Amino acid sequence: ILNVEQSPQSLHVQEGDSTNFTCSFPSSNFYALHWYRWETAKSPEALFVMTLNGDEKKKGRISATLNTKEGYSYLYIKGSQPEDSATYLCASPAGSGNTGKLIFGQGTTLQVKP
Amino acid sequence: DAGVTQSPTHLIKTRGQQVTLRCSPKSGHDTVSWYQQALGQGPQFIFQYYEEEERQRGNFPDRFSGHQFPNYSSELNVNALLLGDSALYLCASSLYPSGPETQYFGPGTRLLVL
Repeated sequence: ILNVEQSPQSLHVQEGDSTNFTCSFPSSNFYALHWYRWETAKSPEALFVMTLNGDEKKKGRISATLNTKEGYSYLYIKGSQPEDSATYLCASPAGSGNTGKLIFGQGTTLQVKP
Repeated sequence: DAGVTQSPTHLIKTRGQQVTLRCSPKSGHDTVSWYQQALGQGPQFIFQYYEEEERQRGNFPDRFSGHQFPNYSSELNVNALLLGDSALYLCASSLYPSGPETQYFGPGTRLLVL
């Protein structure tokens, strides 16, 4: 059974702080890892899809790294802003290959105080 | 280009009733997946439809059923509602898995069972 875990569960930072959080997943039969940002009352927004060990992706102040051998991904936010406040979810396809059945972690909820 | 839309946005039902939730996928997408998000948890996969057939199913009872129409829109039906079915139901659309396809989410339908 694929188990995706995220830590910490929640995070409170001041505006301007940089922060990071972790997504852990089983390293065997890895296919892909998805990161989503979910703001309150909105749709989850796709941030990154990562497939290769050592992948680094960047979107503005947000970046992510991937280590498939040890089964983790880090999401970094540089110089957090209040608009970065959201729940960040990671997900990986269940089973081998791209089954389309995403298994999500519980999410990390980030609050950025002005 | 309209994204994924869902209706209704909110719904209140009583135990034992039946409910139908609707989803229109993003333009150009042919696959619809449904997820349930209970409070404090990440989204959990219910099932996925492609070519009007259920292709994959998560660990949900037969009370949960679905349908996909020729225009790729989809319905989620839940019979004999239980209090525990109260949750946010998310629809996601994508192209049929041929690679690490991103799933695009709608804003969800909030179901409350009394």
